[in-house]
Amino acid sequence: AQTVTQSQPEMSVQEAETVTLSCTYDTSESDYYLFWYKQPPSRQMILVIRQEAYKQQNATENRFSVNFQKAAKSFSLKISDSQLGDAAMYFCAYRSPGSGTYKYIFGTGTRLKVLA
Amino acid sequence: ETGVTQTPRHLVMGMTNKKSLKCEQHLGHNAMYWYKQSAKKPLELMFVYNFKEQTENNSVPSRFSPECPNSSHLFLHLHTLQPEDSALYLCASSLTSGGFTDTQYFGPGTRLTVL
Repeated sequence: AQTVTQSQPEMSVQEAETVTLSCTYDTSESDYYLFWYKQPPSRQMILVIRQEAYKQQNATENRFSVNFQKAAKSFSLKISDSQLGDAAMYFCAYRSPGSGTYKYIFGTGTRLKVLA
Repeated sequence: ETGVTQTPRHLVMGMTNKKSLKCEQHLGHNAMYWYKQSAKKPLELMFVYNFKEQTENNSVPSRFSPECPNSSHLFLHLHTLQPEDSALYLCASSLTSGGFTDTQYFGPGTRLTVL
C-alpha cells in the first residue's frame, strides 16, 4: 500500500524568504502522480502544483516549484518570495495512474506560518 | 456558483439527532468523494461515487449513509453519531478520464461537532 509522510508538522518563514516543505512517499508503482494542496484557515483546499512521475522535469507554478527525486521517493515543495497569503496547511498527496475513480493518499500536512 | 459547494458550513448535533450534509459540484465532473479531516491525521477517504454508483466504501460505520442522486449532488446522512465523529467533512469531485490533469477539486467543508 502507498503511504505519504510529511515529517514537518509546522514551519515558519519570513515574508519574502524561501521555504521548503518536505514530503516522502512509498510505492511499488513506477508511474503515479504527486500533488501539493494548500488549505488556508477556514478556506477551501486548492491545488498548488502537480507532478507526473515519469517526467524528469520538476514542475513549476509561479513562486511554487517542486524538487522531485524519484529514486529517493521525495517530493518537496519550494515557495519563493513568501507572502502572508501563503500561510496555510499544505498537504502532499499521491495518486495512482489510470482512469476511473481512484484513491488519493494524503500526508498529515505541514502548517506554514509566514512572519511579517 | 462555481466549483464545489457544501452546506451547511457548520453543524452542531446531539448524538441522537439525524442530519444531512450536502455537496454540489458545478464543474461537470462525474465522480464525487467524501473525506473526513481530523486534526493531525491524514485525510480519510470515506466514500466514492462514479456516475452515481458507489465505487468505494472505506469501512465507514453505518451511522454514515451516503446518497448520490446524480453526478452533481452528493449527500451524507448522519444518525446516532459519536463525539469522535466531530471533524471537518470535505467533499471533492473529479473527472475520471485519467491522466495528468484529472485532479480532485474540494469544497469548503462542513465543520461537524457532535455533543
